[in-house]
Amino acid sequence: GAVVSQHPSWVICKSGTSVKIECRSLDFQATTMFWYRQFPKQSLMLMATSNEGSKATYEQGVEKDKFLINHASLTLSTLTVTSAHPEDSSFYICSANRQGQGNEQFFGPGTRLTVL
Amino acid sequence: QQQVKQSPQSLIVQKGGISIINCAYENTAFDYFPWYQQFPGKGPALLIAIRPDVSEKKEGRFTISFNKSAKQFSLHIMDSQPGDSATYFCAARAGAGSYQLTFGKGTKLSVIP
Repeated sequence: GAVVSQHPSWVICKSGTSVKIECRSLDFQATTMFWYRQFPKQSLMLMATSNEGSKATYEQGVEKDKFLINHASLTLSTLTVTSAHPEDSSFYICSANRQGQGNEQFFGPGTRLTVL
Repeated sequence: QQQVKQSPQSLIVQKGGISIINCAYENTAFDYFPWYQQFPGKGPALLIAIRPDVSEKKEGRFTISFNKSAKQFSLHIMDSQPGDSATYFCAARAGAGSYQLTFGKGTKLSVIP
């Protein structure tokens, strides 16, 4: 149990285009999901907290107009990188909070974004 | 401000040995301390977690030791295997309805035959 999927697992796009990444909790409902960014050999950097049915909460320094987050259902959150540039190339990871005992957080497998 | 300090940054252990990774925290509101294992190109996987009402939790070869007064916790991997080679992250979460995790910077573990 407690499986979180991400799609796509990797994507290459041209500079200026937009890319959408999906995060799904497959066997549990998640009112709260998180989006992280991870650079090589570094820790996870929280970008935003996604709450079902409400606006996402962005961390300081994260452009909300560039990284659009939608959490339309209890099992799906999407991150759209708008007008992507090479500096947006990174490993994006989502996580979903399984409510109940422990409130454990489970991570997706990540999406490697490369912007040419 | 780094709220969770993790050490060492990297660790090399021989097969069969004990791997020990340490974390320290400042925020006394933290009440949940998970450890995650991450392989290259993959997302972190929850390994084991502890709450401050216990001093130790063991699951198979993995043990968390927790010292509330010192605000420190550690991960012990017994009988380390080459397959344990990965990056390990400690994390902490404040209670009162907060789900947000604060991560350490990670420890790259290499288990050599």
